[in-house]
Amino acid sequence: EAGVTQFPSHSVIEKGQTVTLRCDPISGHDNLYWYRRVMGKEIKFLLHFVKESKQDESGMPNNRFLAERTGGTYSTLKVQPAELEDSGVYFCASSRNAGTGQFFGPGTRLTVL
Amino acid sequence: QKEVEQDPGPLSVPEGAIVSLNCTYSNSAFQYFMWYRQYSRKGPELLMYTYSSGNKEDGRFTAQVDKSSKYISLFIRDSQPSDSATYLCAMSAKGSGGSNYKLTFGKGTLLTVNP
Repeated sequence: EAGVTQFPSHSVIEKGQTVTLRCDPISGHDNLYWYRRVMGKEIKFLLHFVKESKQDESGMPNNRFLAERTGGTYSTLKVQPAELEDSGVYFCASSRNAGTGQFFGPGTRLTVL
Repeated sequence: QKEVEQDPGPLSVPEGAIVSLNCTYSNSAFQYFMWYRQYSRKGPELLMYTYSSGNKEDGRFTAQVDKSSKYISLFIRDSQPSDSATYLCAMSAKGSGGSNYKLTFGKGTLLTVNP
């Protein structure tokens, strides 16, 4: 069974540019989560999808972040326009059922210059 | 006060030692407790998952949860150099509507097992 995959693995962009991160969850996992780790801090929750619906987006920093999961399969997280403080590692995780362990992808390391 | 506290270490032990990693938490609503292992530049890997209080054993790993003290532990027996990694505790409560289990993480403890 393939694990959670994320693309790209690294992204370096200028402040003000747009970046789109992609996550492919484990097949059959309805629950998809986005998390972020900024340097020196804990991994923090951003949002949770159940299939294509946003269940909780309380962790999204501001309206420059837009997450989608069309068709309930893969998800994208777009940052527009990017700011310096958006730099960090963005992780995606999935689980079959809510309340079971979440399986993480390798992360996308975003650097905003 | 942070919801989850974890000593970041670093922790350095000789091969074969028993390792004890711990987290404390303040949110009494947490019911699900996890330990993740993260190698450098990789994603967190789920090691142990427990619900409510008690012990769970899987090979060389034992997870303990003491909800009365709001304290969780991970023990690694016969530690190996390949166990060298950052260990993260994570926990979740049952969210509103019963369907959100967002994880709250500790900062992680960096462990080095020396051959």
